[in-house]
Amino acid sequence: GNSVTQMEGPVTLSEEAFLTINCTYTATGYPSLFWYVQYPGEGLQLLLKATKADDKGSNKGFEATYRKETTSFHLEKGSVQVSDSAVYFCALNRDDKIIFGKGTRLHILP
Amino acid sequence: NAGVMQNPRHLVRRRGQEARLRCSPMKGHSHVYWYRQLPEEGLKFMVYLQKENIIDESGMPKERFSAEFPKEGPSILRIQQVVRGDSAAYFCASSPSGSEAYEQYFGPGTRLTVT
Repeated sequence: GNSVTQMEGPVTLSEEAFLTINCTYTATGYPSLFWYVQYPGEGLQLLLKATKADDKGSNKGFEATYRKETTSFHLEKGSVQVSDSAVYFCALNRDDKIIFGKGTRLHILP
Repeated sequence: NAGVMQNPRHLVRRRGQEARLRCSPMKGHSHVYWYRQLPEEGLKFMVYLQKENIIDESGMPKERFSAEFPKEGPSILRIQQVVRGDSAAYFCASSPSGSEAYEQYFGPGTRLTVT
């Protein structure tokens, strides 16, 4: 079946550190891939997306590349800020439903 | 252009009561999706609707839960005879098309607490 696996948190980093959150997927065909972010007490916001192999999604300094050969969509940011503290969800869209990973809670220390 | 709107934002119900959650999609969007987020977990798909049609309800519990998206007005997720295990955040999303290339835009959610 279709599924998303992402690294478990919480992840704690100091401000300006490099961030990687790993995400791999299992799916039939070639789904669209997404990263969503959820700030405390709020709904989900789309952070970035990629719709085909080798596409790179980017937004607010975050990047992720659709790797078909490794079925991965790892999230990276070169220098994190305290305001990036949130829960990050990797997801894929297949058969008109979004399938989410369990989420990774990120804490950034000043 | 207003985003996806959900109300109420917080809902408290006693066991056995009914809960009605409303969702107004973004302007121009005719596809609505409902997801449930249990505490400390990711979101799980419940149901996908277009105007007056349920397209996929494979994630919906078979009993007590129902959803509709009438020709006029918001989409409604209805939970009858709520139990403590129904306490969760319920998110609605909308998209302009059912194409997988389109992202779904999420509302702020309704946090249901069953006492």
